[in-house]
Amino acid sequence: DTEVTQTPKHLVMGMTNKKSLKCEQHMGHRAMYWYKQKAKKPPELMFVYSYEKLSINESVPSRFSPECPNSSLLNLHLHALQPEDSALYLCASKGLAASTDTQYFGPGTRLTVL
Amino acid sequence: AQSVTQPDIHITVSEGASLELRCNYSYGATPYLFWYVQSPGQGLQLLLKYFSGDTLVQGIKGFEAEFKRSQSSFNLRKPSVHWSDAAEYFCAVGETTSGTYKYIFGTGTRLKVLA
Repeated sequence: DTEVTQTPKHLVMGMTNKKSLKCEQHMGHRAMYWYKQKAKKPPELMFVYSYEKLSINESVPSRFSPECPNSSLLNLHLHALQPEDSALYLCASKGLAASTDTQYFGPGTRLTVL
Repeated sequence: AQSVTQPDIHITVSEGASLELRCNYSYGATPYLFWYVQSPGQGLQLLLKYFSGDTLVQGIKGFEAEFKRSQSSFNLRKPSVHWSDAAEYFCAVGETTSGTYKYIFGTGTRLKVLA
């Protein structure tokens, strides 16, 4: 099973709201990723967690706050977002052995900021 | 710095015709190479990957790709395109930076299929 699940599928929020995106995998992967994807563009890496520790933050604004409470779950907490943050947010996971250097992506959360 | 180039932003083919999507990479060592497909509003689905060994790799949905080190290319091919293949295709290289593994994506090629 190579499934990564993401909830919600769609989210509409105002600029003063606080919301969270959730990502889950049960493949035993110990690396998890958040990406932001604008229309007609490739995914842009935001954060990487390895063994539940943040290993990469690609200079993402603090209104995005990631959290990895356990090896299966990755959250992205959103607060005071801007309309330009509207995008598809993708989660991915990967095993940590060299022979498993493939990222498996979830279906994404379509976020609209009003 | 590593980079991935997909020279064709858009490609249009007729259903049943053959397809080749180009991908060129810049990477010092033997690269980990991937092709993903993305339908509108969906996540990325892995089509195939190359790590080592046979330079012609087979993937899902009838796709194949050939790794050519001399040309720094990893082009995706399909002998006969189906209307359901219309989607965005991304080539990616995996690299490790400061001990953390991540992808470098190409800009993508949008495939349109004519009936």
